Amino acid sequence: SQQGEEDPQALSIQEGENATMNCSYKTSINNLQWYRQNSGRGLVHLILIRSNEREKHSGRLRVTLDTSKKSSSLLITASRAADTASYFCAMFSGSRLTFGEGTQLTVNP
Amino acid sequence: DTEVTQTPKHLVMGMTNKKSLKCEQHMGHRAMYWYKQKAKKPPELMFVYSYEKLSINESVPSRFSPECPNSSLLNLHLHALQPEDSALYLCASSQIDMGLSGNEQFFGPGTRLTVL
Repeated sequence: SQQGEEDPQALSIQEGENATMNCSYKTSINNLQWYRQNSGRGLVHLILIRSNEREKHSGRLRVTLDTSKKSSSLLITASRAADTASYFCAMFSGSRLTFGEGTQLTVNP
Repeated sequence: DTEVTQTPKHLVMGMTNKKSLKCEQHMGHRAMYWYKQKAKKPPELMFVYSYEKLSINESVPSRFSPECPNSSLLNLHLHALQPEDSALYLCASSQIDMGLSGNEQFFGPGTRLTVL
């Protein structure tokens, strides 16, 4: 089955620093998405990258996808305290979205 | 309106109770989803509705019964639940991609369910 692993499990940085989270998956995908979740609330979609794309940008977010290595990374530049949240990668395949284990990001003011 | 609403926000129920969770969206999305999320774990897909028809059931126990009365509403009927069913239940919606390549999903805030 499609399972996603993320590392690190937890990341603590200072405001202004960059944060990088990595995601690996097992089977082929149509696209890979990143979501943010604040403290047990609903998830917010951040960015979607299709399997034929290698890099995508949205504001302070940069996502890369390497389908040969079955991996993706999310870079948040110039982090802010408000970026503190859990971040999940999610692989879309077989009409379903499967989430990775998540990275808990803490940005200290 | 890009919001998915869920009611109630919190629900406490006994193992013999019958209750329902409700989800609503007015974005014209024709795909709707139920997810279950345990503490410090990722969401797990339970059901998918496409054009008001159940298209995916991820082997969910029959004590969970989904219903999609119309294109804006999604219900999850609960009966004879177990304490291990306590979790955050998330509803989501999305446009249907006829190419099956997938679209972003919009999530509601969830219902926190506690089964005693």
